[in-house]
Amino acid sequence: EAQVTQNPRYLITVTGKKLTVTCSQNMNHEYMSWYRQDPGLGLRQIYYSMNVEVTDKGDVPEGYKVSRKEKRNFPLILESPSPNQTSLYFCASSTGLAGGFSYNEQFFGPGTRLTVL
Amino acid sequence: KQEVTQIPAALSVPEGENLVLNCSFTDSAIYNLQWFRQDPGKGLTSLLLIQSSQREQTSGRLNASLDKSSGRSTLYIAASQPGDSATYLCAVPIYNFNKFYFGSGTKLNVKP
Repeated sequence: EAQVTQNPRYLITVTGKKLTVTCSQNMNHEYMSWYRQDPGLGLRQIYYSMNVEVTDKGDVPEGYKVSRKEKRNFPLILESPSPNQTSLYFCASSTGLAGGFSYNEQFFGPGTRLTVL
Repeated sequence: KQEVTQIPAALSVPEGENLVLNCSFTDSAIYNLQWFRQDPGKGLTSLLLIQSSQREQTSGRLNASLDKSSGRSTLYIAASQPGDSATYLCAVPIYNFNKFYFGSGTKLNVKP
């Protein structure tokens, strides 16, 4: 089944304790992205990746890191989490450039609810 | 920066009504526009993707239109059902960039 998976689905942690949220897709998609969703602010893009070893900042990258060492995986790293990073996080993927700036459907993971105390 | 607005923020209708959800965006240089559905506590499910060269896209009871020049898209839901109750989001990428911008969504409640 074609899907985007995220782990963990729920996480409660404390300020300053490094954590990683994993994201994996089995559709051989080039493009992957991380979003956070907050009440009243909607979905905002954190980081995206056009392909392996190619990543760039979205609109709210502060406090986050990403890496893209393999096509299927795009982990989100919080080196020193703070309470303002409490949010619902989504990973998404799509076929990406396809020979030009041609964006196709984004497929979303089920979300990770993170609470930082 | 792209600003995406969805009106109304919430909508409650009786079952069977036809309804229209609106999405407007400030930068008309877009490649496509995608409509999503989000159920409470769940991820986003893609409903329709309209390429910039298209005016309409249909899937079952859903019809989405796109008017790039005016910066607007509408999602038409025919013969609404209680199962359509969810939040509907639109998203646009920026031309020549790889960033996506989402509206805040329209929360739809279809009453039996």
